[in-house]
Amino acid sequence: TQLLEQSPQFLSIQEGENLTVYCNSSSVFSSLQWYRQEPGEGPVLLVTVVTGGEVKKLKRLTFQFGDARKDSSLHITAAQPGDTGLYLCAGGDTGFQKLVFGTGTRLLVSP
Amino acid sequence: NAGVMQNPRHLVRRRGQEARLRCSPMKGHSHVYWYRQLPEEGLKFMVYLQKENIIDESGMPKERFSAEFPKEGPSILRIQQVVRGDSAAYFCASSWAGLAGEQFFGPGTRLTVL
Repeated sequence: TQLLEQSPQFLSIQEGENLTVYCNSSSVFSSLQWYRQEPGEGPVLLVTVVTGGEVKKLKRLTFQFGDARKDSSLHITAAQPGDTGLYLCAGGDTGFQKLVFGTGTRLLVSP
Repeated sequence: NAGVMQNPRHLVRRRGQEARLRCSPMKGHSHVYWYRQLPEEGLKFMVYLQKENIIDESGMPKERFSAEFPKEGPSILRIQQVVRGDSAAYFCASSWAGLAGEQFFGPGTRLTVL
């Protein structure tokens, strides 16, 4: 059974701070997606990484896929209250079919 | 440029009734996935369909649950004889084959079983 563990589970920080969220597994994934989910809404895709060691930047967000394609990280620079939400990593199995979702990280950024 | 559409957004059923959840994928997407999010739990894969075909239903409960994606019209997730444990948010996602597993999610249907 493929599992994705995210850490930390909860994170409460002040505006302007930096943070990193980790997504770890003992399984290899063909791709890794990061989503953000607001209460009462569906997950919104932030990024997809497919190559081991790949780094992608989206404004203040930096995503990295581990060399062995078993883990990933999301780094946010100078967090803003608008970054508040549930962050989910999701691994794509071989054949890019079903996604295995991580346990989630709830981020609260206070002004 | 409509995204994934799901309806209804909220559905209330009494125990023993049937629930029908609908999903219209993004334009140009021919692959549909259904996921369930139980209260205080993560998203779990249920079923993966292409037009007129069920590709992977390994996450679907063996009884009472069924899914279809007909040639015309939306994908339907059907739950017969609902029980309280079926109360959850059900999300549909769609993708265009070949795009590295990128799945785009709808807003979900929140099912409450009384």
